[in-house]
Amino acid sequence: DVKVTQSSRYLVKRTGEKVFLECVQDMDHENMFWYRQDPGLGLRLIYFSYDVKMKEKGDIPEGYSVSREKKERFSLILESASTNQTSMYLCASSPTGQGVQPQHFGDGTRLSIL
Amino acid sequence: AQSVSQHNHHVILSEAASLELGCNYSYGGTVNLFWYVQYPGQHLQLLLKYFSGDPLVKGIKGFEAEFIKSKFSFNLRKPSVQWSDTAEYFCAVIRTSGTYKYIFGTGTRLKVLA
Repeated sequence: DVKVTQSSRYLVKRTGEKVFLECVQDMDHENMFWYRQDPGLGLRLIYFSYDVKMKEKGDIPEGYSVSREKKERFSLILESASTNQTSMYLCASSPTGQGVQPQHFGDGTRLSIL
Repeated sequence: AQSVSQHNHHVILSEAASLELGCNYSYGGTVNLFWYVQYPGQHLQLLLKYFSGDPLVKGIKGFEAEFIKSKFSFNLRKPSVQWSDTAEYFCAVIRTSGTYKYIFGTGTRLKVLA
């Protein structure tokens, strides 16, 4: 079974801090994604990556960056955290090949910015 | 721009009632469609998917969905809900070529009363 592991379940940081959220998948998937989930807004795509060192902006990339140095790891970086980035962050992965495949999600990181 | 609409934001049902959750998408090309479920405190997991073929697809736990291309709809149904179906349900769409971006709806919170 696919395992997508997010490094922290809960995280509290202060305004202006640089924040790293880590995600690791164990199924050799090519594609990885970062979303934020807010009540009434569903899941909004921040960034995704379809290969090592490749990244593409999603719908709400402002204030975020990502890093994919290894296939299994996809990091989300909040360059200078702000209170409006308080949210639930979800990482997902999916394979390529044989058409589009469903995504597999991690448990999420609930991030609070004070 | 592509969008996915879930018109029911909150649904409350009694056990044994029938369920239908609406999902409409805006993209006119060939798409793959998914329903995901998020039980309280758990990660999103795939409920069912439509890629091609029979427009009536069956998923886990007695759920099914019908793809109606002419209506751009992919509604989720279950004939008799259980208390354990209390969860948030997300519809998602992805084009079959040219992008890895999944578009999620805003979600429907279902509460089933015992």
